[in-house]
Amino acid sequence: DAGVIQSPRHEVTEMGQEVTLRCKPISGHDYLFWYRQTMMRGLELLIYFNNNVPIDDSGMPEDRFSAKMPNASFSTLKIQPSEPRDSAVYFCASSGQQETQYFGPGTRLLVL
Amino acid sequence: GESVGLHLPTLSVQEGDNSIINCAYSNSASDYFIWYKQESGKGPQFIIDIRSNMDKRQGQRVTVLLNKTVKHLSLQIAATQPGDSAVYFCAENQVYGQNFVFGPGTRLSVLP
Repeated sequence: DAGVIQSPRHEVTEMGQEVTLRCKPISGHDYLFWYRQTMMRGLELLIYFNNNVPIDDSGMPEDRFSAKMPNASFSTLKIQPSEPRDSAVYFCASSGQQETQYFGPGTRLLVL
Repeated sequence: GESVGLHLPTLSVQEGDNSIINCAYSNSASDYFIWYKQESGKGPQFIIDIRSNMDKRQGQRVTVLLNKTVKHLSLQIAATQPGDSAVYFCAENQVYGQNFVFGPGTRLSVLP
């Protein structure tokens, strides 16, 4: 298996633009997680899905953030409009019933 | 709210020595713990886990110790190698297979 795949790996955009991050979890995993990592706040859970259904989105910063999982092999995290304070590394992770989460390589987002 | 914290933000060790990375957790309800390793530019990688009904678990060159009395978790790395240089995170989970809380991380530097 190729592991968790994320795209793009790097994204530079201007304030106010829409940003869409993509994730393909490991095949067969039931859970998908979106995290944000910054120097100030560390690794924060934004939202997670179980069987494509959002279970806990309490970590989503505000209404500018939204996440979807239309099927078991694809999820998106969208920021609209983006702001400089959204600059961070965004990780997607997936897990099966055994709990261990496998992380993707992350998307480095810079909002100017 | 309750969170996971680390005693030492940075740790430098000589190659070949043993390393001990510590983590304090505050939620006595936590029943599952994981150590992750994050190398520069990569996502966190699972190292070893332990459940609250155990106090010790060993892997290849790594050992995790859990002291529930003082709510303390440690990761021991034997014969530390240059490739062990990374940031190490502990994470706790109170609900099976779901939300993890990550600590701020400890940076391990291996000196030649």
